[in-house]
Amino acid sequence: KQEVTQIPAALSVPEGENLVLNCSFTDSAIYNLQWFRQDPGKGLTSLLLIQSSQREQTSGRLNASLDKSSGRSTLYIAASQPGDSATYLCAVKGDNYGQNFVFGPGTRLSVLP
Amino acid sequence: DGGITQSPKYLFRKEGQNVTLSCEQNLNHDAMYWYRQDPGQGLRLIYYSQIVNDFQKGDIAEGYSVSREKKESFPLTVTSAQKNPTAFYLCASSTQGSGSQNEQFFGPGTRLTVL
Repeated sequence: KQEVTQIPAALSVPEGENLVLNCSFTDSAIYNLQWFRQDPGKGLTSLLLIQSSQREQTSGRLNASLDKSSGRSTLYIAASQPGDSATYLCAVKGDNYGQNFVFGPGTRLSVLP
Repeated sequence: DGGITQSPKYLFRKEGQNVTLSCEQNLNHDAMYWYRQDPGQGLRLIYYSQIVNDFQKGDIAEGYSVSREKKESFPLTVTSAQKNPTAFYLCASSTQGSGSQNEQFFGPGTRLTVL
């Protein structure tokens, strides 16, 4: 059974720092991996989607990488801002039809002004 | 605007009551999902549907029921059999199949509280 973990559970950094969030998964037979952002009391917002055949995806200050063989993904946030404060979750989808998304517990990020 | 709507935003349930949470999408997605989120925990899958008139139990289906009569709609009923229903409920949808991205999109959520 697929298990997804995220390290660290919480992170506090000063504004302007570059930072890395980590996501690990136990079964490398995935279809894709998706990174989300969740603000308190809100739904999840999709940030980046990496297909299993891809190594990385970029959107603005965000860069996500995928190493399927080692079961790892990282989300790199450049020049962090207070508005980046949120919980970041990763989710993987199995590559067999009907397999669903498995979510990690999230990393709670605080960017201090 | 394309997206997923959930209603109501807040819902209060008395003991022994059934309540229904609404989820509608206009993204033309085949697959829809219901998740439960408890404080400090990740998302847990309640039910999912890959096509109209078909749905499957997720990891925590006991005490919940769903229907999928239309592609756009996937309502969730929290029955009196669910002993601890207080939580944040999230609906999501995605494309399905090997020829598509299968990117998942979420609604804004419904917070259910038992009185």
